[in-house]
Amino acid sequence: AQSVAQPEDQVNVAEGNPLTVKCTYSVSGNPYLFWYVQYPNRGLQFLLKYITGDNLVKGSYGFEAEFNKSQTSFHLKKPSALVSDSALYFCAVKQPGGYQKVTFGTGTKLQVIP
Amino acid sequence: SQTIHQWPATLVQPVGSPLSLECTVEGTSNPNLYWYRQAAGRGLQLLFYSVGIGQISSEVPQNLSASRPQDRQFILSSKKLLLSDSGFYLCAWSLGLASYNEQFFGPGTRLTVL
Repeated sequence: AQSVAQPEDQVNVAEGNPLTVKCTYSVSGNPYLFWYVQYPNRGLQFLLKYITGDNLVKGSYGFEAEFNKSQTSFHLKKPSALVSDSALYFCAVKQPGGYQKVTFGTGTKLQVIP
Repeated sequence: SQTIHQWPATLVQPVGSPLSLECTVEGTSNPNLYWYRQAAGRGLQLLFYSVGIGQISSEVPQNLSASRPQDRQFILSSKKLLLSDSGFYLCAWSLGLASYNEQFFGPGTRLTVL
């Protein structure tokens, strides 16, 4: 069975500082990993994904994520946080092969303080 | 470009009343379609998915049903709503059966059952 954990309910960071939102996963074989962002009362928006290859994945709005197989992690990062980055962030995992449902984490609320 | 619509945006219904939520996708063909419920602004629960017209898979036994009468139309229904059906309902689509394809979410429907 696949699972994903986001250990922090909330992350606070000052505007202009780097941010990290943590995600760890458990899956059989090589995972497909995703990050989504959700603004209040809106649907989720896709940010980036890891399929294979380079461990550093770049995505929308200046976000990037680093895949670490040995630590089974896929942390979301941004060099300089903006107040507009404040939102709910979801990590998700899929197991390759056929149709497999995506498993979402419970979400991390990011608060960027001006 | 592809767009996904959901309606209504908000809905307040009495216990025991029927429900019909609609989702349509434009700009693509043969999408995979999904219904999720998000409770308390956090975790996503997959309710149903569909890989083609008339093909519905249920992930969780519940008071709800889904139908796909047309290629790009996905409907979530209930004959009698329960208080526990309250939540934020999200429709999503993805291309093909490849596990690494990301999902694109609609704006959601906020359902309150009184």
